[in-house]
Amino acid sequence: TQLLKQSPQFLSIQEGENLTVYCNSSSVFSSLQWYRQEPGEGPVLLVTVVTGGEVKKLKRLTFQFGDARKDSSLHITAAQPGDTGLYLCARGGSNYKLTFGKGTLLTVNP
Amino acid sequence: DARVTQTPRHKVTEMGQEVTMRCQPILGHNTVFWYRQTMMQGLELLAYFRNRAPLDDSGMPKDRFSAEMPDATLATLKIQPSEPRDSAVYFCASGLVSGFAQYFGPGTRLTVL
Repeated sequence: TQLLKQSPQFLSIQEGENLTVYCNSSSVFSSLQWYRQEPGEGPVLLVTVVTGGEVKKLKRLTFQFGDARKDSSLHITAAQPGDTGLYLCARGGSNYKLTFGKGTLLTVNP
Repeated sequence: DARVTQTPRHKVTEMGQEVTMRCQPILGHNTVFWYRQTMMQGLELLAYFRNRAPLDDSGMPKDRFSAEMPDATLATLKIQPSEPRDSAVYFCASGLVSGFAQYFGPGTRLTVL
């Protein structure tokens, strides 16, 4: 059972374009995190959201947590080649365990 | 600049050999996690420790994998004997028990021939 579904699986865009990636579940999250993983490196935490409807911004990245806390989105404005990477969402569970989605692999072409 | 360190970064071995991967968590972090990442399965939790005590290793094949934390600065993941299906990138992450944020190391890329 895939607890977290991320879409799209792959995304290739041109520099300057906007994009949105999604993370969905059939059950409620207590908390949700977004990570970015660059080739050859470990994932790096971008943001944690805990409140339904919450919106957080990190420079050109906007994170939204759904009102029902079953979904989340990540929007990137004016994408740059440095945004290239694997974007992972992860839900918090008991004992601070995280369950990760399989990610969206983003390529931003110059 | 506190970071999680992992050694080795790359390991190529033959089927049946023992593999030991090491992790140094960020100083002061009291939870340590071991993950395995493959294209097919994504990032899977193998085991984790809190204050050096194993809390959950249900994601780990028990017959060949073992994880230990001999002290607060060292976590190890051992595979014996290794099999080709163990080929993957193994990540260690550390964090504080007070939150969900996890800080990942650069990973060990394991290839079992």
